Amino acid sequence: LAKTTQPISMDSYEGQEVNITCSHNNIATNDYITWYQQFPSQGPRFIIQGYKTKVTNEVASLFIPADRKSSTLSLPRVSLSDTAVYYCLVGVFNQAGTALIFGKGTTLSVSS
Amino acid sequence: EAGVTQFPSHSVIEKGQTVTLRCDPISGHDNLYWYRRVMGKEIKFLLHFVKESKQDESGMPNNRFLAERTGGTYSTLKVQPAELEDSGVYFCASSPNPGGTSTDTQYFGPGTRLTVL
Repeated sequence: LAKTTQPISMDSYEGQEVNITCSHNNIATNDYITWYQQFPSQGPRFIIQGYKTKVTNEVASLFIPADRKSSTLSLPRVSLSDTAVYYCLVGVFNQAGTALIFGKGTTLSVSS
Repeated sequence: EAGVTQFPSHSVIEKGQTVTLRCDPISGHDNLYWYRRVMGKEIKFLLHFVKESKQDESGMPNNRFLAERTGGTYSTLKVQPAELEDSGVYFCASSPNPGGTSTDTQYFGPGTRLTVL
């Protein structure tokens, strides 16, 4: 799986939009970009996944430029409950059995 | 729908003892994964079951770790004998068997915190 680089930590205030960028320079043609969220004392939770351009769901948006060497997770109007670690993963996810390779993630702290 | 459950939530044992962790995947999910995070390190893959078969156990650290999934339902991960470096959080995840172009989303349990003294 492609190596990813993302900020170690970020701080934000409630109501702000948070953008976390992940670099994945050696992404392969068949690779997808997936983001997981992990709250303290819980397992990681799938947030969003995309291949190119933009993907949006009820939780977040994922922006992927044309060269796909980076991606940006956008959390609109964060709240205190969005404080968590966010992991960017890149790999082939269109088949079962892909072991997820987690980096250190980005620790997002939201304060009032 | 019930999520992935793990038992116990926390286990404290002494070096040399045996501990068995249990994971109940989401009903109907063929794929079951074990991961662990040692203190201060990243979450690391341990192994993957497809139903009752071990598909990939390349991440198992050594032969003190034994994983089973009898009948393709729940899975156990036994550590015998436990060492200090085995302390960490052990996560279990499951996923359905996607077909076609579906992507494989893994659903994680809350983890079992293992402390070896």
